[in-house]
Amino acid sequence: EDKVVQSPLSLVVHEGDTVTLNCSYEVTNFRSLLWYKQEKKAPTFLFMLTSSGIEKKSGRLSSILDKKELSSILNITATQTGDSAIYLCAVAFSGGGADGLTFGKGTHLIIQP
Amino acid sequence: GAVVSQHPSRVICKSGTSVKIECRSLDFQATTMFWYRQFPKKSLMLMATSNEGSKATYEQGVEKDKFLINHASLTLSTLTVTSAHPEDSSFYICSARDTGTGSKKLFFGSGTQLSVL
Repeated sequence: EDKVVQSPLSLVVHEGDTVTLNCSYEVTNFRSLLWYKQEKKAPTFLFMLTSSGIEKKSGRLSSILDKKELSSILNITATQTGDSAIYLCAVAFSGGGADGLTFGKGTHLIIQP
Repeated sequence: GAVVSQHPSRVICKSGTSVKIECRSLDFQATTMFWYRQFPKKSLMLMATSNEGSKATYEQGVEKDKFLINHASLTLSTLTVTSAHPEDSSFYICSARDTGTGSKKLFFGSGTQLSVL
């Protein structure tokens, strides 16, 4: 069965720390991997990754895909309390959900001042 | 970027009543929209796919008579929770893709917190 697994499920760090969130997948006909940040309401789009080894960067956030290892990491450097959120990983693949995506359970990140 | 507006953001209703939630794509057309349900600290669970001008496609285990979906135009889909019960209390989110660009990127509404008393 196709699936997306995120780890850790929950993480508490202090402001200024660097964190790495993991997403691994077992799917056939992979198309792309997406990261979303969900605060109190709707998920907001962070990155879409389709090619292995190419890092995408946005400010203090960066992400990279490893198709060999069937995984992706999301890095956040110099964390701030505003980074506290649930980070969702979703994989698009042929035969996936009707929306073409399967979501992981998310990593609940808490940044303490 | 593309904006999806969802309304209302929060609704409290009595058991047995019906609640309608609207999802609008504000600056793009979406022939397909998606409705999700999310429980606290859980991932998004796809409920149904809303197709403009045709019947919605429901995921396994989702009652189509309970969760009525209408997609009357290229920018509006509605989800009606009929005869709501306390177990229907949840966070409901819609999403849409920009049909014009063909991008896989989903844009989400801000969600509706439904509380059924």
